[in-house]
Amino acid sequence: KNEVEQSPQNLTAQEGEFITINCSYSVGISALHWLQQHPGGGIVSLFMLSSGKKKHGRLIATINIQEKHSSLHITASHPRDSAVYICAVSRSGGGADGLTFGKGTHLIIQP
Amino acid sequence: NAGVTQTPKFQVLKTGQSMTLQCAQDMNHEYMSWYRQDPGMGLRLIHYSVGAGITDQGEVPNGYNVSRSTTEDFPLRLLSAAPSQTSVYFCASSYSRGPTYNEQFFGPGTRLTVL
Repeated sequence: KNEVEQSPQNLTAQEGEFITINCSYSVGISALHWLQQHPGGGIVSLFMLSSGKKKHGRLIATINIQEKHSSLHITASHPRDSAVYICAVSRSGGGADGLTFGKGTHLIIQP
Repeated sequence: NAGVTQTPKFQVLKTGQSMTLQCAQDMNHEYMSWYRQDPGMGLRLIHYSVGAGITDQGEVPNGYNVSRSTTEDFPLRLLSAAPSQTSVYFCASSYSRGPTYNEQFFGPGTRLTVL
């Protein structure tokens, strides 16, 4: 069993819909990261969470430490949100010993 | 600041050849790591370093060598390239303290094909 599981693997939605991507993990963590990767592109850090909730524009990330679960929400989705969203965890402080990744969620937003 | 830089962007090797993928950061980050990204497998950790002179193995270290002689640079060496090492390689760095503590900064990636 993978230490970091994401769902769904693929998601296609219409512009304007509310999107939720889920991440569950089975190890103790220092922080949970949500990353974004556009096709053929680099990896950008969206959020880093160790507790509670964070919001940046139309993106919201939450984490429940007790349940070892995090969600990434996109409100009023737009075609430019189409990308792969990756959940990752760091076990040591600062990510000293690297990250462990989920396999990603491929999101397509249709106009 | 240039952030995390990687060279080359693309590389084609023949089986058995050796090469070094370069990674550099100008943010004075202590922590650096190398990952490979393969379809269906996601990103996996190859090697990591917590500071100059200190490196350790990640999940998939076989066939790769690293060293960290300075804080800025963390090169990844392929000793004898194999087709199984065809992948996209990402370098990342992070800071051990301060306002960006734990935030990961990724390089743009190197796409490697081994024939």
